[in-house]
Amino acid sequence: EVQLVQSGAEVKKPGESLKISCKGSGYSFASYWIGWVRQRPGEGLEWVGIIYPHDSDARYSPSFQGQVTVSADTSVTTAYLQWDSLKASDTAMYYCARRAYGAYDFAYWGQGTLVTVSA
Amino acid sequence: QSALTQPRSVSGSPGQSVTISCTGTSSNVGRYNYVSWYQQHPGKAPRLIIYDVINRPSGVPDRFSGSKSGSTASLTISGLQAEDEADYYCCTYAGNYARVFGTGTKVAVL
Repeated sequence: EVQLVQSGAEVKKPGESLKISCKGSGYSFASYWIGWVRQRPGEGLEWVGIIYPHDSDARYSPSFQGQVTVSADTSVTTAYLQWDSLKASDTAMYYCARRAYGAYDFAYWGQGTLVTVSA
Repeated sequence: QSALTQPRSVSGSPGQSVTISCTGTSSNVGRYNYVSWYQQHPGKAPRLIIYDVINRPSGVPDRFSGSKSGSTASLTISGLQAEDEADYYCCTYAGNYARVFGTGTKVAVL
């Protein structure tokens, strides 16, 4: 069974760094792109970026380029989303997701990681 | 890329049909047959209900159907049921591995 299990909720202060995780299991982790999606409270879904764990090829939405870093470690079948300096506007639920059927769908989703940034 | 445009809300009575539009551009929705649709209940992760414009994953009821004309994709829910009340998002491939989501539509079952 394919599963994506994300790390727990985080509460941080502005300016702090953070790295959240998404552990894949039940499939060949290195062979599937994993994407990240943001959802601010009460708002819609936004595509953040995507990574191919096999060679760490990462692509970003222009809105997130330079604001976050996506990475992956195949030895622990885990993808990561990190910030060097958080802002209050980064407060959101973050989901990781993977395709299954077509080339570009998000069929498998993690349970989400709530990131709260507040002074 | 700008978010795809969806109506903020649609509503219908049980048994009726509702259609949600998703308007993009000739560079995304109009160029690729890679539109997917997601259902999201409050407090839950999104769930894939349509991929590649018209295809349903296994386990998704056939009352959900997708289509596309030009730069506008559509999701139709036929025979609306109480459990269909949720937020719905379209998403398209936009080239160079990028995706763009729609603004989201709240479906209310009256």
